Amino acid sequence: DQQVKQNSPSLSVQEGRISILNCDYTNSMFDYFLWYKKYPAEGPTFLISISSIKDKNEDGRFTVFLNKSAKHLSLHIVPSQPGDSAVYFCAANGGSNYKLTFGKGTLLTVNP
Amino acid sequence: DVKVTQSSRYLVKRTGEKVFLECVQDMDHENMFWYRQDPGLGLRLIYFSYDVKMKEKGDIPEGYSVSREKKERFSLILESASTNQTSMYLCASRNRGSTDTQYFGPGTRLTVL
Repeated sequence: DQQVKQNSPSLSVQEGRISILNCDYTNSMFDYFLWYKKYPAEGPTFLISISSIKDKNEDGRFTVFLNKSAKHLSLHIVPSQPGDSAVYFCAANGGSNYKLTFGKGTLLTVNP
Repeated sequence: DVKVTQSSRYLVKRTGEKVFLECVQDMDHENMFWYRQDPGLGLRLIYFSYDVKMKEKGDIPEGYSVSREKKERFSLILESASTNQTSMYLCASRNRGSTDTQYFGPGTRLTVL
């Protein structure tokens, strides 16, 4: 049973445009959400997070939106740059054991 | 800057061999984690450790064991490597607290022949 779902395996956008990566979750106990970015042959690096008490968090070109009623979050990258091309993982935390549950990832390709 | 290091970037082993993957973090983090990443499956948690000498099974612990004798070091052991354990192995650490971010090492690409 997949508790964190990233339904788009891949996304392709033009440089300068907006990239929107989506993530859905099923577990109501999740109360903290994170996005990680991963280049090939490297470990994931933390990008941005959001607590369930907020609906938006912004950091430079990256904004995460959380819709608790829909159990949906999204990552917006504006403007997109070729260096943003990577796999993006959505992750969620909640309950008593502090472990993260990851989605399967979305491969973002930003074309020059 | 948090630093998580893993003993090898690439490793090739034969079926049946005992394999040790080492992970070291330098930020005095209490919690440490081992994941594997496979195409189309994302990151799956193998084992984690709340603190020294403490360990808990993750989602896919079968065929693996772990050891945490010192706070900064968390080892993943494949008792008898099999071809289906060919994967990218990622170690992570974090401080205690449910909102603290996990920091990942560079990964070890293990191939079992």
